[in-house]
Amino acid sequence: DAKTTQPPSMDCAEGRAANLPCNHSTISGNEYVYWYRQIHSQGPQYIIHGLKNNETNEMTSLIITEDRKSSTLILPHATLRDTAVYYCIVRVWGGATNKLIFGTGTLLAVQP
Amino acid sequence: GAVVSQHPSRVICKSGTSVKIECRSLDFQATTMFWYRQFPKKSLMLMATSNEGSKATYEQGVEKDKFLINHASLTLSTLTVTSAHPEDSSFYICSASGAEMAFFGPGTRLTVL
Repeated sequence: DAKTTQPPSMDCAEGRAANLPCNHSTISGNEYVYWYRQIHSQGPQYIIHGLKNNETNEMTSLIITEDRKSSTLILPHATLRDTAVYYCIVRVWGGATNKLIFGTGTLLAVQP
Repeated sequence: GAVVSQHPSRVICKSGTSVKIECRSLDFQATTMFWYRQFPKKSLMLMATSNEGSKATYEQGVEKDKFLINHASLTLSTLTVTSAHPEDSSFYICSASGAEMAFFGPGTRLTVL
């Protein structure tokens, strides 16, 4: 079973920041938080991952709470092309055989 | 990120036939690949874990004799849907896994008539 819960959907205005929350209250000490997104009829695309420190890349920022029980993915300036289902997943790091179990994700709809 | 390809991208077949889907890791050697199935408006459901040179491990409720998986090399895993029926129509997605992250293929749309 997925170990994360996310709101089923969110709307965001184009050009504004999109903040996508994720709850993972049962996360273990050796589990990382991963974010993927899936645009309609495509395979999931890796976005970012982190353990306990906040992470940033060219697309997004990942904010993980100090107790690691929740996190937020931030898209600072959402565009129409960011409309997708965003999945938050916890996975043990360091083993290729460690599964990625998907929850229901959040459908982010960026509005013009 | 790493590139994972799938072939074919879509396939239509008659009920009772078998369909093979290939998953290739194009720029890194994947000792482990995962196969997922996704129904419309649903999330990805893990079907099996494919390990190079050994038998696949199937998730509960997935019939191993119906969904045959072969992982003959570090860059290729195949999923064969045997004796396909309309209820097997779905979007099949593979993933090539490294120690730190996994990369996904573009998916294969299977339609069984």
